[in-house]
Amino acid sequence: NAGVTQTPKFRVLKTGQSMTLLCAQDMNHEYMYWYRQDPGMGLRLIHYSVGEGTTAKGEVPDGYNVSRLKKQNFLLGLESAAPSQTSVYFCASSYSGQGNQPQHFGDGTRLSIL
Amino acid sequence: AQSVAQPEDQVNVAEGNPLTVKCTYSVSGNPYLFWYVQYPNRGLQFLLKYITGDNLVKGSYGFEAEFNKSQTSFHLKKPSALVSDSALYFCVPRAYSGAGSYQLTFGKGTKLSVIP
Repeated sequence: NAGVTQTPKFRVLKTGQSMTLLCAQDMNHEYMYWYRQDPGMGLRLIHYSVGEGTTAKGEVPDGYNVSRLKKQNFLLGLESAAPSQTSVYFCASSYSGQGNQPQHFGDGTRLSIL
Repeated sequence: AQSVAQPEDQVNVAEGNPLTVKCTYSVSGNPYLFWYVQYPNRGLQFLLKYITGDNLVKGSYGFEAEFNKSQTSFHLKKPSALVSDSALYFCVPRAYSGAGSYQLTFGKGTKLSVIP
């Protein structure tokens, strides 16, 4: 049982380049989330999805776009990467959006913007 | 609204000694509280949760937490620490995000170091 899988695991980009981070879950969860983790900042929610075809903004959505075309996949896009987007990105999924079920996390994508 | 405070950025404990990672909460309504652990270069892993019921909650890897309403605390404990318990620990409340949905809010956590 793979759980939540993130690809790629590492990536280095130049300022202005674009890329897409892929998150896939095999638990049939409705809810999916993208976070970024920066030193001293904890995890901050970027975007989330409450089901296939839906997305919503989190705490720090600027500079990112997301899509949920299939229930099992949640994509995070950077259209024009900036050094401030250097971070570790985590995807998570959960069965419920009521905050009474745990979120399951992938192992992260470490992204550096030069 | 729900929020938590982890008063210690870092906790050091000797291997074999009991460990405690502190968490105090501030809530309006019924608290929903989670503990997560993050090992180096890994994603967060769920340890345990308190929703309702028994105040003593048992979780993964021998961890437990006691919900104390009078002290508004939800401290994470383990009777005997292992070096492999060294990690970053998060006490996590839920927060209402609108439209009938809730989010889990992750702070900076407490770094636990178990010394051999």
